[in-house]
This record gives sequence, C-alpha cells and structure tokens, in this order.
Amino acid sequence: TQLLEQSPQFLSIQEGENLTVYCNSSSVFSSLQWYRQEPGEGPVLLVTVVTGGEVKKLKRLTFQFGDARKDSSLHITAAQPGDTGLYLCAGPSSGTYKYIFGTGTRLKVLA
Amino acid sequence: EAGVTQSPTHLIKTRGQQATLRCSPISGHTSVYWYQQALGLGLQFLLWYDEGEERNRGNFPPRFSGRQFPNYSSELNVNALELEDSALYLCASSSFLENEQYFGPGTRLTVT
Repeated sequence: TQLLEQSPQFLSIQEGENLTVYCNSSSVFSSLQWYRQEPGEGPVLLVTVVTGGEVKKLKRLTFQFGDARKDSSLHITAAQPGDTGLYLCAGPSSGTYKYIFGTGTRLKVLA
Repeated sequence: EAGVTQSPTHLIKTRGQQATLRCSPISGHTSVYWYQQALGLGLQFLLWYDEGEERNRGNFPPRFSGRQFPNYSSELNVNALELEDSALYLCASSSFLENEQYFGPGTRLTVT
C-alpha cells in the first residue's frame, strides 16, 4: 500500500517566518498534488508536480518534486496569517485507481 | 464556471437511521470521489464513480454505498448510522484519470 507521510504534523510560527513542509513516500508517484484546507471547507488544489526535480512557484509558495518522484516539499516564504490551514499532499496510487492523501500538516501563522 | 456543489450543508441523524448525501460535479467532469474526514483527521477515501460505474472503494463497510446518475451527479448513502460516522463528507470531481481533484464544501454529518 502506498503511503504519503507528511512532516511536521503541526507547525505554529510567527508572521514573516519561513517554513518547509515535507511529503514522503517509499513509492514512486506519477504526480503529486498539494492542497490547502481551511476548517469546515473542502481542500483547494494549489499545484500539481509531475516531473522529477520539478520546481513550481505560486507567489510565496515554492513546491518541489523529488528527483526520484518519491517525495515533495512545500516552502513558504514570509508566512502570513492567511496561510493558516491544513496542507495536504496527494497522488494517484499506481495500478489501483486510488487517490491517496498524505497525513497532513496543520499550519498556524500568528500575527 | 460553477464548482462542485454538495447538499445538504449539515445533516443531523440518530443512530440506526440512514443518511443520503448529494454531490454535483463540475461540468464536464465524469469522475466523482467521496471522502470521509473525521474531526481533526485526514481524508479517508470512500468511493470513486466514473461514467455511472463504481471504479473503486476504500476500506469501509458495505453500509456505505452510492451511485452516480447519468448527469454525473452522485449520491452517497450511509445505512445503519453509527456514532463514529459523524464527520465531514467531501465530494470531489475530476476528468477521468486526471489526478487533480476539485472539492465541494462538504456535508457535515452528525450522528446522535
């Protein structure tokens, strides 16, 4: 069974700090998606990474896909309170038609 | 373009009753996914429908079932409700075998 482990599980930081969230697996994924979910709402797709080593930027968010396509990271520069939420990585499980979500990182940015 | 919609927003049932949750996908999407998210926890995959067929299901008992209609909307039914079924139920849609999923706002089911 393919699993996606995220770390850290919880993160509380001050506004203006930088942070990195990790998403790791022992299996290869054809692509990984990152979502952000706010309390009581559905996750919102942020980005898809497909190619090993790929780096994508979305304003202050930088996403990277590992060279071997087994891991990914999300780096936030100068975090703001609006970045608060649950960050989830996810990807398609090869050969099973299942879509797997990571364990999640709950981020709180304090003003 | 309208996003994924779900109804009702909130649903309160008593143990042993049945619950029906509804989802309308984004226009042009044929796949609908259902997830359960217990309070403070991650998303657990429930069901995947495409073109009216159940393509896969997660590790949930048979009392969790659903269907997809010809217009690609979907229904999730939960029979014999148990207290631990209380959760946010999320529906997502995508094009067939596209990896990016678009989520609705969810239905908060409370079982008392």
